[in-house]
Amino acid sequence: GENVEQHPSTLSVQEGDSAVIKCTYSDSASNYFPWYKQELGKRPQLIIDIRSNVGEKKDQRIAVTLNKTAKHFSLHITETQPEDSAVYFCAASIYGQNFVFGPGTRLSVLP
Amino acid sequence: GAVVSQHPSWVICKSGTSVKIECRSLDFQATTMFWYRQFPKQSLMLMATSNEGSKATYEQGVEKDKFLINHASLTLSTLTVTSAHPEDSSFYICSAIARMGGGSTDTQYFGPGTRLTVL
Repeated sequence: GENVEQHPSTLSVQEGDSAVIKCTYSDSASNYFPWYKQELGKRPQLIIDIRSNVGEKKDQRIAVTLNKTAKHFSLHITETQPEDSAVYFCAASIYGQNFVFGPGTRLSVLP
Repeated sequence: GAVVSQHPSWVICKSGTSVKIECRSLDFQATTMFWYRQFPKQSLMLMATSNEGSKATYEQGVEKDKFLINHASLTLSTLTVTSAHPEDSSFYICSAIARMGGGSTDTQYFGPGTRLTVL
């Protein structure tokens, strides 16, 4: 089955700096890769996603890149703000089934 | 946007009792709903996939007789934790895949979660 790894497990950055979180997956059949932000005690919120027919996607300060050959994808947050502090999860899925989540990255943006 | 509700938001029960958690898609029809379990400071672990009108598909290691899932309609799925024990205490989150004409069928929307504490 699919296995998703995520690094780093914790990340601290200064406000205004960039943050990068990387995930790798094992199943080459996976074709949908969402990223979620989860604040303490709340539901995961989809922040960006990418499908296997695209190599990069950007939405304001957030971007995701996908390398299908290497089976890894990354989340990039630029100009970080304190409100970006949360736990971020990557996931891999095959056509919206069998979602497998990474272990999460706790991001702290220091003012 | 697509909204998923979950009820109750928290529940405390005695060991041996059963607890039912409801997951509803409020403004869309959900072809598929998922149930996850999340322990403190850990990731989401998929428990089962629920398709409307059919039996749920359970992940390896999840007891189907203990975690009963019913997906009676395109807007409602329920998870019943039977004969709950303290080790079942966790945060249970559902999600739903939206059936939208011509749109993506793989975006999942999460409910707010239910915190279960079994004494």
